[in-house]
Amino acid sequence: DAGVIQSPRHEVTEMGQEVTLRCKPISGHDYLFWYRQTMMRGLELLIYFNNNVPIDDSGMPEDRFSAKMPNASFSTLKIQPSEPRDSAVYFCASSPQGREKLFFGSGTQLSVL
Amino acid sequence: AQSVAQPEDQVNVAEGNPLTVKCTYSVSGNPYLFWYVQYPNRGLQFLLKYITGDNLVKGSYGFEAEFNKSQTSFHLKKPSALVSDSALYFCAVHNYGQNFVFGPGTRLSVLP
Repeated sequence: DAGVIQSPRHEVTEMGQEVTLRCKPISGHDYLFWYRQTMMRGLELLIYFNNNVPIDDSGMPEDRFSAKMPNASFSTLKIQPSEPRDSAVYFCASSPQGREKLFFGSGTQLSVL
Repeated sequence: AQSVAQPEDQVNVAEGNPLTVKCTYSVSGNPYLFWYVQYPNRGLQFLLKYITGDNLVKGSYGFEAEFNKSQTSFHLKKPSALVSDSALYFCAVHNYGQNFVFGPGTRLSVLP
């Protein structure tokens, strides 16, 4: 298995632009998580899905952030409009069950200028 | 509320010496406990987990962790450190009906 695949690896954009981050979880995993990592705040859970349904989005910082999972093999995290304070590394992770170990992707390094 | 503390931002150890990375948690009930490692420009990788049973858990790359319920601690250990162990280490807890909560991370530097 190729593991959790995220794209792009790096994204540089200007303030106000729309950003879409993509994730392909490991096949057969029922849970998908989006995390954000910064030096100041560490690793923060943004949202997670179970069987493609959003379960907890309380970590989504603002309405500018949205996430979808149209099918079991694909999820997106969208920021519109983007702001410099959104600059961070965004990780997608999947898990076969809710309390099992997480498998992380390599992350997307987002820089908003 | 659940919380995880890693009291040391940085741990330095000489190659070949034993290492310990500390973790304490504040969670009600019987949580699952995890250690993850993050190498530069990579996602977190699972090292080991504790669910129940023996307080000493063995994991990947020669790492082990000791669960202490009375001290609510789950310290990561390795008998002999390698330079390649240098990375960022995260402790995490997961309680039933809750989400994963990660500690702030500890940077381990193994000096040759």
